[in-house]
Amino acid sequence: EPEVTQTPSHQVTQMGQEVILRCVPISNHLYFYWYRQILGQKVEFLVSFYNNEISEKSEIFDDQFSVERPDGSNFTLKIRSTKLEDSAMYFCASRWGRTSGGPDTQYFGPGTRLTVL
Amino acid sequence: AQTVTQSQPEMSVQEAETVTLSCTYDTSESDYYLFWYKQPPSRQMILVIRQEAYKQQNATENRFSVNFQKAAKSFSLKISDSQLGDAAMYFCAYRSGYGGSQGNLIFGKGTKLSVKP
Repeated sequence: EPEVTQTPSHQVTQMGQEVILRCVPISNHLYFYWYRQILGQKVEFLVSFYNNEISEKSEIFDDQFSVERPDGSNFTLKIRSTKLEDSAMYFCASRWGRTSGGPDTQYFGPGTRLTVL
Repeated sequence: AQTVTQSQPEMSVQEAETVTLSCTYDTSESDYYLFWYKQPPSRQMILVIRQEAYKQQNATENRFSVNFQKAAKSFSLKISDSQLGDAAMYFCAYRSGYGGSQGNLIFGKGTKLSVKP
């Protein structure tokens, strides 16, 4: 069964450094998402991406964040200058984007745990 | 804005017994989807069950079923014959069915389910 993959599984970085989190969505999906979950808290939406551009973003997704789909398979989240409060689990998700046959579901990757020291 | 509320931070159930997790939501939309996701200690987000708001029939997936009360904006999850592997964090999530929506999910804070042998 197709699945969303994410690398790395755990990233440790120093405050102020740039990090890139990578995701490979399910191949025929059209919508891509990043979510964040700070330890012990709920999952929060960051950004959605469709047709090679950001389609929606939350207030969390400020100028320090950017997303890219550089080669038609990878979907990346870049944090330009990490802060301590960026420490969280980051989930990538993808969705087919067609409504025929029922509610197309978001499938999540296993997450990347980001630790900022 | 839509909100999702899970009023039970923690629940416990005896193995083989039945447990019900509560979820309420607030929306002014008439077309939407509701989901329950399971997050085991590995922290991967796994879809348990989904429900389309336009369907009156409650969704069922093996031992998992929902009680969807649209007028009351309630969406509870019932787990029958609980197993040790059901122990996890359970998140209720809402997704707009509005045509212009990008489909991002809005999550509740989660309910931690423990299963006692």
